[in-house]
Amino acid sequence: DGGITQSPKYLFRKEGQNVTLSCEQNLNHDAMYWYRQDPGQGLRLIYYSQIVNDFQKGDIAEGYSVSREKKESFPLTVTSAQKNPTAFYLCASSSGQGASYEQYFGPGTRLTVT
Amino acid sequence: AQSVTQLDSHVSVSEGTPVLLRCNYSSSYSPSLFWYVQHPNKGLQLLLKYTSAATLVKGINGFEAEFKKSETSFHLTKPSAHMSDAAEYFCVVSSYSSASKIIFGSGTRLSIRP
Repeated sequence: DGGITQSPKYLFRKEGQNVTLSCEQNLNHDAMYWYRQDPGQGLRLIYYSQIVNDFQKGDIAEGYSVSREKKESFPLTVTSAQKNPTAFYLCASSSGQGASYEQYFGPGTRLTVT
Repeated sequence: AQSVTQLDSHVSVSEGTPVLLRCNYSSSYSPSLFWYVQHPNKGLQLLLKYTSAATLVKGINGFEAEFKKSETSFHLTKPSAHMSDAAEYFCVVSSYSSASKIIFGSGTRLSIRP
């Protein structure tokens, strides 16, 4: 089955710890994205990558970092500099970079930091 | 500049009655418009998209939306609601320029009464 996997589904961390969220796709898509979702709000773009070894900041990149060493993988690290990291994180991919390409979403990771 | 406004944060309808979820947008370019659905604690799934072809777009699960440029609207409709339609719905606008120009609405929660 083709799709996007995110792991783990739930993640708990103590304040001050960095944590890495996994995102893998076998759709052969070039573009990948990370979004943050908070209750009652739409999705906000953290980082995106249009090609391997290249990525750009989205609207809320502060306190986050990413890498894109392989086409299939786009891990997100939530660093201790992120002031309010508790949220639902969604990874997505698309086959192209233009506006008309729909995004395919993973099931999400719910991160709780205490 | 781009923006998208979902006019209702919560819509409740009875099973078997029509559904209307309202979305207005603004865009400096000819936009692509999307509706996604999200069931609790899941990723988003594409319902339908408009990319400057037919203004009436048919999607999955009996949903459709009409692009009205004069009203800058892209409302989502379904003739007869089903219990399984209960979910969060997001209207999305994007322009050609870059991935950072994909804007998500704040979402409309659809409840279905038996």
